[in-house]
Formats: sequence, C-alpha cells, structure tokens
Amino acid sequence: EAEVAQSPRYKITEKSQAVAFWCDPISGHATLYWYRQILGQGPELLVQFQDESVVDDSQLPKDRFSAERLKGVDSTLKIQPAELGDSAMYLCASSTTTGYNEQFFGPGTRLTVL
Amino acid sequence: GQSLEQPSEVTAVEGAIVQINCTYQTSGFYGLSWYQQHDGGAPTFLSYNALDGLEETGRFSSFLSRSDSYGYLLLQELQMKDSASYFCAVKIGYQKVTFGTGTKLQVIP
Repeated sequence: EAEVAQSPRYKITEKSQAVAFWCDPISGHATLYWYRQILGQGPELLVQFQDESVVDDSQLPKDRFSAERLKGVDSTLKIQPAELGDSAMYLCASSTTTGYNEQFFGPGTRLTVL
Repeated sequence: GQSLEQPSEVTAVEGAIVQINCTYQTSGFYGLSWYQQHDGGAPTFLSYNALDGLEETGRFSSFLSRSDSYGYLLLQELQMKDSASYFCAVKIGYQKVTFGTGTKLQVIP
C-alpha cells in the first residue's frame, strides 16, 4: 500500500541551528501539505503545494521557514535558525485533486530544539 | 477566520457507544472530516460529510447538520484500540482543511 514517506523521524538540534525535513508523497498526489502539530493540539497548516506551486503559505513564518517542491514530487521544509518554540511534530500529507480531499499523512518528524 | 470546538477529553467503557461533538464557525464550508490519531502516530482519515445526515462506515458513523454548524462522530461497540485522539476538520476551500484541537478518547475496561 502506498504511503507518505518522511525523514528523519526524529531530530534534536540546538537553537540557532538549521534543520531540514524531507517528504515524499504518494505517487500521483498533486497536493502536498506541511503541518506543525504541538502536543495536545490539532495539526496546523504551514504550507500547501499544488504540484510545484505554493497555494497557501499564510501561516508559514517566512523569516525562518522555507519550503520547496521543485519538481512537483518530493518536498523539503527548512528552518533556519531554529528556536525553542519550534519543538513540535512536523507532518507531511498528500492528497489527490479530486474527491473529498482525504489526506494521507506520513509518520512525521519529531523536532526537539534545545 | 475559522474556529472549531470539540471536547478535550472523553472516557467511555469498552463495548459502549460514544459520541464526539464538533461545532464550527468558518467563512467558507464545503464539508466536515474526521481523523483518528493514536499516540505517537499520524492522523488517519475516518469519514467525510458534505451533506446533512448520517454516514456509516462499520462501527463508526459521522453526522452533519450544516444549518447548525454541527457534526459528530459516533463510535459503537468500543474497543480498547479505539483509544486515540479524534479530530474534526472543516474543508474550507479547494483542497484545504482546518483541524480542530482534538478529543482524546480513553476506553476503559
């Protein structure tokens, strides 16, 4: 069964360092999402791609976060510099462009900033 | 903007029925989804309602009332493995959803 892949699964870094997360969506899924989830809360959308184009990055802290999906397939989310408040689970999801928008989530990257 | 309200925690007995409510206020609305997330795991899709009424999928059912901006997830014949967090999510535009804060369900023997 096709799955969304993410790496790394866990990342520990010190504040002011740079971190990067990678996501490979389900093949054929044109829409890709990056979410941040703080423990005990729901996923919060950071950025949404349609193919290689950003369609929503209104909640992305652009002074430190960047995201790209150069060939419309896999994607990278970067944080530079990391801050203590960035500690969270970073989830990637993908969906097709038809139907009711069922989103398929990857296992996530647990980021701890020390 | 959007706001979704769900109870933060619910406890129910194995074999029983539990209902998790969700009320929403959004500037646009296409439908209501439900996702399940076990501790340490990723959210998984359960159901989607675009029209008023009840949708049934096995032990899980989901209801929507657009006029009341309200929906619920009904879990029947509760099993221990149903202990998880449940999120309602409103579809507010093309390919876009906003998630609620989640309800942590604890199933006890």
